[in-house]
Amino acid sequence: DTAVSQTPKYLVTQMGNDKSIKCEQNLGHDTMYWYKQDSKKFLKIMFSYNNKELIINETVPNRFSPKSPDKAHLNLHINSLELGDSAVYFCASSTTSGGPNTGELFFGEGSRLTVL
Amino acid sequence: GESVGLHLPTLSVQEGDNSIINCAYSNSASDYFIWYKQESGKGPQFIIDIRSNMDKRQGQRVTVLLNKTVKHLSLQIAATQPGDSAVYFCAENRPNDYKLSFGAGTTVTVRA
Repeated sequence: DTAVSQTPKYLVTQMGNDKSIKCEQNLGHDTMYWYKQDSKKFLKIMFSYNNKELIINETVPNRFSPKSPDKAHLNLHINSLELGDSAVYFCASSTTSGGPNTGELFFGEGSRLTVL
Repeated sequence: GESVGLHLPTLSVQEGDNSIINCAYSNSASDYFIWYKQESGKGPQFIIDIRSNMDKRQGQRVTVLLNKTVKHLSLQIAATQPGDSAVYFCAENRPNDYKLSFGAGTTVTVRA
């Protein structure tokens, strides 16, 4: 039983296309995140939702749009894909009450996006 | 054991030796710190955490040390095993902040 699951695990697409990555967590957590990991392994937060409400929106191009239909799901849609969007995207979740300060982040296995 | 005084992106360790991974954090207001381990092709996994009211915390074969004066965090792994080969990240969090900020990772390779 995977706690945080992402699909697809691999995604290869052409520049200019639109793609989505889905994430689901079965931990009962209220807060979910999207992180981007570049080729140098640097992890940077993109978005966070708490109970379906956007609470963190880092400096991310508006081609990236997160959507949280319910607190167990956080999807990431990317429009007009560019070469620089190639990376591994990680979904994560945590309990609330002050955010991750009260506990750890649980990460999914990652979705490797390659833009050609 | 093998250690690094400053953060280095890679660390090669002989199996059975102790290893020390260092991390400098950026925000003096941060009060919660976590070490994560990321194996190849997987997401980061929690190893151990420490709050700013402590300077040392021990887990199974791992110890985290926190020096708030110089904003330095270290992870010590005892009797390093091949399964310890991974990228290790430190992360910091400020009070009431949902954002966990990650440092640059250290790739640990265990030599047989």
